[in-house]
Amino acid sequence: IAGITQAPTSQILAAGRRMTLRCTQDMRHNAMYWYRQDLGLGLRLIHYSNTAGTTGKGEVPDGYSVSRANTDDFPLTLASAVPSQTSVYFCASSDSSSDEQFFGPGTRLTVL
Amino acid sequence: GQNIDQPTEMTATEGAIVQINCTYQTSGFNGLFWYQQHAGEAPTFLSYNVLDGLEEKGRFSSFLSRSKGYSYLLLKELQMKDSASYLCAVLDSNYQLIWGAGTKLIIKP
Repeated sequence: IAGITQAPTSQILAAGRRMTLRCTQDMRHNAMYWYRQDLGLGLRLIHYSNTAGTTGKGEVPDGYSVSRANTDDFPLTLASAVPSQTSVYFCASSDSSSDEQFFGPGTRLTVL
Repeated sequence: GQNIDQPTEMTATEGAIVQINCTYQTSGFNGLFWYQQHAGEAPTFLSYNVLDGLEEKGRFSSFLSRSKGYSYLLLKELQMKDSASYLCAVLDSNYQLIWGAGTKLIIKP
């Protein structure tokens, strides 16, 4: 089934722990994105990648890192989680022929 | 700075029509998107406008005025399943999407 998958679905994490959120797409889209969504705020871009091997910083990159070793995968790592990183995280992808973004189901992360 | 404004919440009646407004101030403009997001789910694409005017797609229509920095999403013949948040997003000069906080639409029988 074509689309984007994210793992885990939800996670409770102790502050200071390292965590990697996984994102995989099988649509061969060039661009991929990581957003966080908090109540009352719009989706905020954390990091993005326009093509495999390249990444860029979004609006709120501090405390997060990404890598894009291949077209399909775009993991997001929290090196040392803090409570303010409690949020719902969405991965998205888009093709170069269209700016429409397709979203994964999201990961609900709670940092205690 | 970049800013997208839309009402926080709206209420409408099943079968009626509702218009959700969005105003924007961004560094450049390369198109405006509307997405629908049901509670606990991912956003899904509804419409895209890059030229002024009205785009109609079934019960949903989207309008854009670039000179006014304004768009609206029009939903006709409202159904209970239309209860969701509606997100306005603008593609800026760097081709990054800038998102509004979303409008929560409540449909009453």
